[in-house]
Amino acid sequence: AQTVTQSQPEMSVQEAETVTLSCTYDTSESDYYLFWYKQPPSRQMILVIRQEAYKQQNATENRFSVNFQKAAKSFSLKISDSQLGDAAMYFCALKDSNYQLIWGAGTKLIIKP
Amino acid sequence: DGGITQSPKYLFRKEGQNVTLSCEQNLNHDAMYWYRQDPGQGLRLIYYSQIVNDFQKGDIAEGYSVSREKKESFPLTVTSAQKNPTAFYLCASSISGSRYNEQFFGPGTRLTVL
Repeated sequence: AQTVTQSQPEMSVQEAETVTLSCTYDTSESDYYLFWYKQPPSRQMILVIRQEAYKQQNATENRFSVNFQKAAKSFSLKISDSQLGDAAMYFCALKDSNYQLIWGAGTKLIIKP
Repeated sequence: DGGITQSPKYLFRKEGQNVTLSCEQNLNHDAMYWYRQDPGQGLRLIYYSQIVNDFQKGDIAEGYSVSREKKESFPLTVTSAQKNPTAFYLCASSISGSRYNEQFFGPGTRLTVL
């Protein structure tokens, strides 16, 4: 069965610094997609970044980038120049041939001013 | 503005009552989903629908029911058979059920059983 594990229940970072959130997953398939979603206090779920497993190049979106290690089944999210608005729950999710999203338990990110 | 709306934002239910959560989208998306979120856990799929008049059970469908009579609407009924319904419920939609397409989420409904 597919699983997604986020081992850090909570992380904190000083404003303007860089933080990395960890995610590991398990799937028997070779073709799948990985996502990072952000859920701020408003609880609106927002897509941060997406990675196709067949692409070796790591995805980037402005201050957000991923380190995708397919062999290790690792998909970490790096946030550069952290801002107060980045404070939220961050969820890692996997989507394979079942077309369903499998979610991690989330990491709460705290930004210290 | 295109998007997904959920109503109500907060819902209180007495034990033994059925309640229906509304989800409407004007994104012209084919696929729609219902998730349940509990504290300290990720989202869990309740039901999903890839086309009108068709839907499939997710991982935790027991005690829930859905309908998909219109492309825009995917209401979720929480029945009295659901033993622990207090949770946050999120509705989502996507262009299709394919792996590539991202899911867009509504603002959610907080259900509390009194």
